[in-house]
Amino acid sequence: GAVVSQHPSRVICKSGTSVKIECRSLDFQATTMFWYRQFPKQSLMLMATSNEGSKATYEQGVEKDKFLINHASLTLSTLTVTSAHPEDSSFYICSARRGAKNIQYFGAGTRLSVL
Amino acid sequence: DAKTTQPTSMDCAEGRAANLPCNHSTISGNEYVYWYRQIHSQGPQYIIHGLKNNETNEMASLIITEDRKSSTLILPHATLRDTAVYYCIVSPTGTASKLTFGTGTRLQVTL
Repeated sequence: GAVVSQHPSRVICKSGTSVKIECRSLDFQATTMFWYRQFPKQSLMLMATSNEGSKATYEQGVEKDKFLINHASLTLSTLTVTSAHPEDSSFYICSARRGAKNIQYFGAGTRLSVL
Repeated sequence: DAKTTQPTSMDCAEGRAANLPCNHSTISGNEYVYWYRQIHSQGPQYIIHGLKNNETNEMASLIITEDRKSSTLILPHATLRDTAVYYCIVSPTGTASKLTFGTGTRLQVTL
């Protein structure tokens, strides 16, 4: 199957700092990638859709100035959590869509802990 | 996108078939049925998808009723490594479509 790499797998940061998470499609090109957030014992919630070469589309209630998304190439999307606060602590997961059949391949996730 | 209903949890003995049901009575004609699973603390894994015909791959089989209002994911010989949360999602294909995850079914495979 298709491989999506997400880095880092775990990050601990101080409140007020920014954290960047990378998502790479290793063996296919992805014009569209997605960023999700998952709180403990809850399901995945879509945060935004990342489109190569254009602005990301954010879901309702997600602050675009706080969660900066860049999709500069067909194999890389980044999510930057700016001025992180403890309530931003969560499991962040990216995915990349391959082909026209809406099959998404997911990264292993990044566990963010903000102290 | 159409909403799906799945049982909260299921148990299955190792080596037996696991049959996971999903109701999607409001599915539209252009919506596919997708199944993903999430093993604890990992990203979801794609399993299978279908439109109206039954589908089979190396991981599972997908049985979709003729009226497309429900489907069943079948893991023919469940192993302990199949313990996970299984998500049934309906969504159209196309560049504008996205996946909406519900609460899924927590499948526990036991010895």
